[in-house]
Amino acid sequence: AQKVTQAQTEISVVEKEDVTLDCVYETRDTTYYLFWYKQPPSGELVFLIRRNSFDEQNEISGRYSWNFQKSTSSFNFTITASQVVDSAVYFCALRVAGNQFYFGTGTSLTVIP
Amino acid sequence: KAGVTQTPRYLIKTRGQQVTLSCSPISGHRSVSWYQQTPGQGLQFLFEYFSETQRNKGNFPGRFSGRQFSNSRSEMNVSTLELGDSALYLCASSFFGESTTNEKLFFGSGTQLSVL
Repeated sequence: AQKVTQAQTEISVVEKEDVTLDCVYETRDTTYYLFWYKQPPSGELVFLIRRNSFDEQNEISGRYSWNFQKSTSSFNFTITASQVVDSAVYFCALRVAGNQFYFGTGTSLTVIP
Repeated sequence: KAGVTQTPRYLIKTRGQQVTLSCSPISGHRSVSWYQQTPGQGLQFLFEYFSETQRNKGNFPGRFSGRQFSNSRSEMNVSTLELGDSALYLCASSFFGESTTNEKLFFGSGTQLSVL
């Protein structure tokens, strides 16, 4: 069975602080894809990043960075120098064979000015 | 290119009624998936349609059904509404939807359903 756990329900940080959102996944499939989505108040989930199980190379994109570690089944997301516009709910998701995504319960991030 | 469009944006129904939600995918996308989002539960997969056929189904009762038309537009129907059906229903589309590809989902803004 597939499962995604986001243990942090809510996080509050002061603007310009760094923040890391944790994601732990479970699957027995050897081929899988991991995603992060951002959900602003408007409701529409916005794609942030995708990683496949064969690519453990970490990535930095502007203020965003991702740390994928198969040994610990984690796919953590860090925002550097957070901004108020980063306030949203962030979802980690797992996809295995087929087109069904398994989402975590989300982490609500509030950046305080 | 227009994004995923869901209508209506808000719905208020009473218990026992039925409801139909609509989703227009991004032009050219053939796969449409539906998710239910409730506080504390995250997104729960309802079903996926590809080329007018239901390809995957989540663990929801038979009151939840859907269909897809030849133009890839999809509808979701919930019959005999219960209070627990109150949720944000999100539709997502992707081009191919084949397994083991690196497809990503494009989401609509959802339909907020309130059951009174």
